[in-house]
Amino acid sequence: EVQLVQSGGGVVQPGGSLRLSCTASGFTFDDYAMHWVRQAPGKGLEWVSLINWDGDNTFYRDSVKGRFIISRDNSKNSLYLQMSSLRPEDTALYYCAKDLDSNGYYLDYWGQGTLVTVSS
Amino acid sequence: EIVLTQSPATLSLSPGDRATLSCRASQTISNYLAWYQQKPGQAPRLLIYDASNRATGIPARFSGSGSGTDFTLTISSLEPEDFAVYYCQHRTGWPRTFGPGTNVEIK
Repeated sequence: EVQLVQSGGGVVQPGGSLRLSCTASGFTFDDYAMHWVRQAPGKGLEWVSLINWDGDNTFYRDSVKGRFIISRDNSKNSLYLQMSSLRPEDTALYYCAKDLDSNGYYLDYWGQGTLVTVSS
Repeated sequence: EIVLTQSPATLSLSPGDRATLSCRASQTISNYLAWYQQKPGQAPRLLIYDASNRATGIPARFSGSGSGTDFTLTISSLEPEDFAVYYCQHRTGWPRTFGPGTNVEIK
């Protein structure tokens, strides 16, 4: 059974940093690209970032470029999102998600989400 | 950035009804579109990818069609568990984007 277990959310002041983690099981982690998607309270889904299977290629939405870093440790079956210079508009439930294959196209399994609140 | 527009924003139907949801892309995206279902308090679930392929375990009452800029998700006969929000998502270029969602609610 595919499982993605997330941790690392919380409350942080504007300008602060936070690291999200996502630990995978039930599939061969290093065969798949992985995504981060967020959802502001009461709003829709917003794709944030993608990392390919070996970490050599990463992609970000413009609003987080230069502030967020996606990474993975295939030896630990883990995905990370290092967030810095956080803004109130980054407040959201953050989901990690497994890609359907290695191409970064679609998201077929999702974590439970972790809430990030940016507020003073 | 490709913008996806979904209509209607809300669809009020009864169990057993047929649901037809629309997603329109701001530029042609071939058949590179997925549909997701999200229930309150839950993570999204992939229903359809590449416009018409059902994901693993998705019931046959869900079907997708379309290409270019216009796409449709059809639920042939609504079950009580199908009342949820549905999002479309494209895979053409960066960033990947989602539509704003269609809320299928019980009439």
